[in-house]
Amino acid sequence: NAGVMQNPRHLVRRRGQEARLRCSPMKGHSHVYWYRQLPEEGLKFMVYLQKENIIDESGMPKERFSAEFPKEGPSILRIQQVVRGDSAAYFCASSPRGDASTDTQYFGPGTRLTVL
Amino acid sequence: GENVGLHLPTLSVQEGDNSIINCAYSNSASDYFIWYKQESGKGPQFIIDIRSNMDKRQGQRVTVLLNKTVKHLSLQIAATQPGDSAVYFCADPKYSGYALNFGKGTSLLVTP
Repeated sequence: NAGVMQNPRHLVRRRGQEARLRCSPMKGHSHVYWYRQLPEEGLKFMVYLQKENIIDESGMPKERFSAEFPKEGPSILRIQQVVRGDSAAYFCASSPRGDASTDTQYFGPGTRLTVL
Repeated sequence: GENVGLHLPTLSVQEGDNSIINCAYSNSASDYFIWYKQESGKGPQFIIDIRSNMDKRQGQRVTVLLNKTVKHLSLQIAATQPGDSAVYFCADPKYSGYALNFGKGTSLLVTP
């Protein structure tokens, strides 16, 4: 039973380019969460999605960042016109239901984004 | 507001000793806490959780203690092994109930 898959594992972009991060949840999970981790920091929540719906994007910057979880295919976190401050590890987690107080969230290996 | 934080950023222990990692929280309404382990270059891995109606919960070589009076929880690792070297995070659900609120983490280094 494969866990949460993320790709690419490492992504290098120049300032102004676009970054697209992909996440495939665990089998049977329809709830996806994106977190960002800066060096020496804990994880910060960005966005929570169910299939075809954004439920909570309160942690996501208003500009340049977007997320989707289409009916078919992986969840995508998209960062437009990247800046150096976007350099971080981006983790995706999934759960079978959307209640963090009853569900265990399983994390993927992360995508490490470096902006030159 | 919600705030889950760690007392010490780093902890060094000798192999075979017991480790204790502490975590303080500020939201007295928090009723569920989780400990995650993150090895270098990997995503967080669930270790153990505890609900506010419990003071203690044991797993395999790990025990979590919850003191609601002082809003403090700890993770105890028995007979620490080199494979336990990692960053440990405590987390609790955010006010929204969906996502997790993580502390900064404690880096555990196990020396032979």
